[in-house]
Amino acid sequence: AQTVTQSQPEMSVQEAETVTLSCTYDTSESNYYLFWYKQPPSRQMILVIRQEAYKQQNATENRFSVNFQKAAKSFSLKISDSQLGDTAMYFCAFTNRDDKIIFGKGTRLHILP
Amino acid sequence: NAGVTQTPKFQVLKTGQSMTLQCAQDMNHNSMYWYRQDPGMGLRLIYYSASEGTTDKGEVPNGYNVSRLNKREFSLRLESAAPSQTSVYFCASSRPGTASYEQYFGPGTRLTVT
Repeated sequence: AQTVTQSQPEMSVQEAETVTLSCTYDTSESNYYLFWYKQPPSRQMILVIRQEAYKQQNATENRFSVNFQKAAKSFSLKISDSQLGDTAMYFCAFTNRDDKIIFGKGTRLHILP
Repeated sequence: NAGVTQTPKFQVLKTGQSMTLQCAQDMNHNSMYWYRQDPGMGLRLIYYSASEGTTDKGEVPNGYNVSRLNKREFSLRLESAAPSQTSVYFCASSRPGTASYEQYFGPGTRLTVT
């Protein structure tokens, strides 16, 4: 069975610092998609970044980038120049394209002024 | 486009009462999903519907029923609510087979069962 593990339940960093959130997953598939979703206090789930497993290049979206290590089954999220608005719960998620997404348990990130 | 809408936003039920959570999407997506979110548990899939007229159980289906009324609407019913069903419920939709496979989420319903 596929699983997604986020080993950091909670993190705090100072504004403007860089922070990395960890995620590992387990699958026997070779072609799949990985996501990071953000859930701010408003509760809305927002897609931050997406990575396709067959693409070697790490995805980036402005201040957000990933370090995708396929052999290690690792998919970490780096937030550069962190801002107060980045305070949220972050979920790592996986799909092998079978209609379902599996979510990790989340990392609560606090950006401190 | 409104995206994915859910009603109600908040609800308090007594044990044994029933209710239906409504979800609709206007993105012409084939697949729709119901999740529950509990502290420390992430999002867990209750039921999903890959297309109009089909539904399948997810990870935690007990105590729930669903109806895919048409392509736009997917409802979740609690026949006899229990305190263990106190949670935040999210509806989502997607169009598998496209380039992204991402899911789009509604704003959630906070349900409390006393």
